[in-house]
Amino acid sequence: GAGVSQSPSNKVTEKGKDVELRCDPISGHTALYWYRQSLGQGLEFLIYFQGNSAPDKSGLPSDRFSAERTGGSVSTLTIQRTQQEDSAVYLCASTSQSGWYETQYFGPGTRLLVL
Amino acid sequence: AQSVAQPEDQVNVAEGNPLTVKCTYSVSGNPYLFWYVQYPNRGLQFLLKYITGDNLVKGSYGFEAEFNKSQTSFHLKKPSALVSDSALYFCAVIRSNDYKLSFGAGTTVTVRA
Repeated sequence: GAGVSQSPSNKVTEKGKDVELRCDPISGHTALYWYRQSLGQGLEFLIYFQGNSAPDKSGLPSDRFSAERTGGSVSTLTIQRTQQEDSAVYLCASTSQSGWYETQYFGPGTRLLVL
Repeated sequence: AQSVAQPEDQVNVAEGNPLTVKCTYSVSGNPYLFWYVQYPNRGLQFLLKYITGDNLVKGSYGFEAEFNKSQTSFHLKKPSALVSDSALYFCAVIRSNDYKLSFGAGTTVTVRA
């Protein structure tokens, strides 16, 4: 079946501009995660959505970062006033339930470059 | 806090030889351990996980890993490596009742023909 999809696959933007990154989880998956992969920081957790519960935003690095999940499915990660240190690969993952034992399935990522 | 260490940045092996990628962890409570692989310009692909039960876990593409609680390790192994196994491998841990994966820094595996 279809896996997690993300768009765009690549994004180049200028410092100070806003960007939106999209994630479509696996159909029927209720939990959705965003991670960031950067050279300096490795792979780090950003935000977690589970059903209608309030999201866990504890990993967001600054208030320029926000995310929403509409209708319990598609999620959008927004970065306002982008900075060069935001350059990274942004990965989305989903699981069928919220349990810690569930396997997180990852999308191909969005490669963001801030000039 | 929970953490994962992958002590080797790079592992080089000849095709047909055994492959081992090392991982140690530090977590309060019971650890739940995962291995993922990443090919160039691709996302993370799940290989295997340890939740409970048998310490030897078998996964995709002939990989296996052994959970060793006394040594706090979860090394990834493959008896006979293929050139196509060349990739970046990540070990990750989740603490029970949590959901955030904490990843190691990754190990680049190169299998030469």
